[in-house]
Amino acid sequence: DIVVTQSPEFLVVSLGERATINCKSSQSVLYNSDNKNYLAWFQQKPGQPPKLLIYWASTRESGVPDRFSGSGSGTDFTLTISSLQAEDVAVYYCQQYYSTPLTFGGGTKVEI
Amino acid sequence: QVQLVQSGGEVKEPGASVRVSCKASGYTFTNYGFSWVRQAPGQGLQWMGWISPSNGNTNYAQNFQGRFTMTTDTSTSTAYMELRSLRSDDTAIYFCARLNGNTWWDNFDSWGQGTLVTVSS
Repeated sequence: DIVVTQSPEFLVVSLGERATINCKSSQSVLYNSDNKNYLAWFQQKPGQPPKLLIYWASTRESGVPDRFSGSGSGTDFTLTISSLQAEDVAVYYCQQYYSTPLTFGGGTKVEI
Repeated sequence: QVQLVQSGGEVKEPGASVRVSCKASGYTFTNYGFSWVRQAPGQGLQWMGWISPSNGNTNYAQNFQGRFTMTTDTSTSTAYMELRSLRSDDTAIYFCARLNGNTWWDNFDSWGQGTLVTVSS
């Protein structure tokens, strides 16, 4: 199984400041034949289902504000919120879909 | 627009079974796969399995093999999950999630609202 590890577990950021969340997979999720990283990022607010933010490690889902960006390749990935807004308070998860069982990171709680 | 509406919360005794439904609308049901993901209270997300509505192919997480079954009904655009021999540690919110394609290596792009299953005597 691919183990996905996120850091930090908790992140306190001031309004308007940058938030950076890291995600590391125990093996590469880069598929050589299509050169795509099979990694996604989700945002989950209390009492709600997860919401897709980023897929293929860096492709923003339609309707997601451009302050959210994803980067990285292979085993190391980053989600960046360039200027934190009040509505960004949530738990963020990364997830690999390179191999089954599909696995999620443990989550990063972002607070202001 | 894509909508996934799940059935309501359930309370079950240990050893019982539970069936949760996920009714899809707003797109062609057979063109996209489903997964079921659960979240224990205050915990993270755990993938349970994947099913293709077009051909019924499935891929189950090892942890659940033998007591977990996913099915789909294309006539009603509904996905189902059944979990048997329930234990207290099966208490969780169960989400259906649509994949952006008909393979398990597509990303999740839409989620149901979640169904709380409580296992208690």
